Amino acid sequence: RKEVEQDPGPFNVPEGATVAFNCTYSNSASQSFFWYRQDCRKEPKLLMSVYSSGNEDGRFTAQLNRASQYISLLIRDSKLSDSATYLCVVIVYTGNQFYFGTGTSLTVIP
Amino acid sequence: DGGITQSPKYLFRKEGQNVTLSCEQNLNHDAMYWYRQDPGQGLRLIYYSQIVNDFQKGDIAEGYSVSREKKESFPLTVTSAQKNPTAFYLCASSIGTAGNEKLFFGSGTQLSVL
Repeated sequence: RKEVEQDPGPFNVPEGATVAFNCTYSNSASQSFFWYRQDCRKEPKLLMSVYSSGNEDGRFTAQLNRASQYISLLIRDSKLSDSATYLCVVIVYTGNQFYFGTGTSLTVIP
Repeated sequence: DGGITQSPKYLFRKEGQNVTLSCEQNLNHDAMYWYRQDPGQGLRLIYYSQIVNDFQKGDIAEGYSVSREKKESFPLTVTSAQKNPTAFYLCASSIGTAGNEKLFFGSGTQLSVL
């Protein structure tokens, strides 16, 4: 079983729509969680950390559900510039290992 | 500005040839990582190093080698034993301590086979 699973999409949504991605993880010892954004053939860039209490940054909201072992990312009022692949990242402190999902592709359509 | 520099941006390898990808960081990070990205497969860990003169194999280390002689540098050699080297290679670093683990990436090297 993969450490981290993501729906690869693609998600094609109109401008202004709200879209949500989920990511499940298998290791209950996972300690830290992040969402990264990756544009085509570029490096991933940190979008936001994910906390149990939930955190919001403008149009983006991230949530962690430890009981069900998933994290989510909600994007409100989608912009064309939000088109990218979104990667979830889970860290297990043992060995300081980072585990990546395969990424979810988002295309925002005019 | 602090950051991670990967070079070259594009690299071509002939059959039977070893090639080395450069990764340098001036963030004073202890931990450095090499990942390989293939379409639809996400990032897979090749090697990582948590301290100078020490490194560990990741999930797909076969056909690759690394060194960590300096804190700032973590070069990756793709050897002739790696039969399918065409991929996007990403170097990353982190402070390496629990609670402060964010990964910072270089801009990547696209390796192709001639």
